[in-house]
Amino acid sequence: SQTIHQWPATLVQPVGSPLSLECTVEGTSNPNLYWYRQAAGRGLQLLFYSVGIGQISSEVPQNLSASRPQDRQFILSSKKLLLSDSGFYLCAWTLTGAANYGYTFGSGTRLTVV
Amino acid sequence: GNSVTQMEGPVTLSEEAFLTINCTYTATGYPSLFWYVQYPGEGLQLLLKATKADDKGSNKGFEATYRKETTSFHLEKGSVQVSDSAVYFCALRRGTGANNLFFGTGTRLTVIP
Repeated sequence: SQTIHQWPATLVQPVGSPLSLECTVEGTSNPNLYWYRQAAGRGLQLLFYSVGIGQISSEVPQNLSASRPQDRQFILSSKKLLLSDSGFYLCAWTLTGAANYGYTFGSGTRLTVV
Repeated sequence: GNSVTQMEGPVTLSEEAFLTINCTYTATGYPSLFWYVQYPGEGLQLLLKATKADDKGSNKGFEATYRKETTSFHLEKGSVQVSDSAVYFCALRRGTGANNLFFGTGTRLTVIP
């Protein structure tokens, strides 16, 4: 069966520090991968998605970047965090070209920038 | 375009009350429809889905029927429990592209004993 792992679960970082959040998927090949952010009490905002190694699409221009160095690995990064980067970050995957499948989400990373 | 309109929250119910969370959609063609649940501090979990008109998705006592004539996918449960307290998201997926899952804004449900 497929599983998705996301870490760390919580993170407190000072303003101006770098960020690296990692997400890996097991049990499938060539998944579509996604990074979402959820601000406190708000809905979901799609940040990045990827259809393959090295292929990144950005939905919102901002202080963050994403990379996909391996087929089942998706990394969210920042060189210098801002207070506004605080939030709950969720990684998700789905099968390529499968319209009837939903997305499967990781357990999330709660980032607090202080 | 594709979009989901979801009932505004928050919703507060007493235990064993009947729950309805309204969801309507706009889409070209025939989307697949989903309900996700997010328990406090956790990621989203797929609760149920329906992939064609008149399909009924069900799970954990929750149900939703894909109504093409009213473009709706309302979530219902006959008797809610305290453990159902969570945020519920309605979503549609249209087509086979990579960026094709559209979420509603979420509805927070609180069930009190």
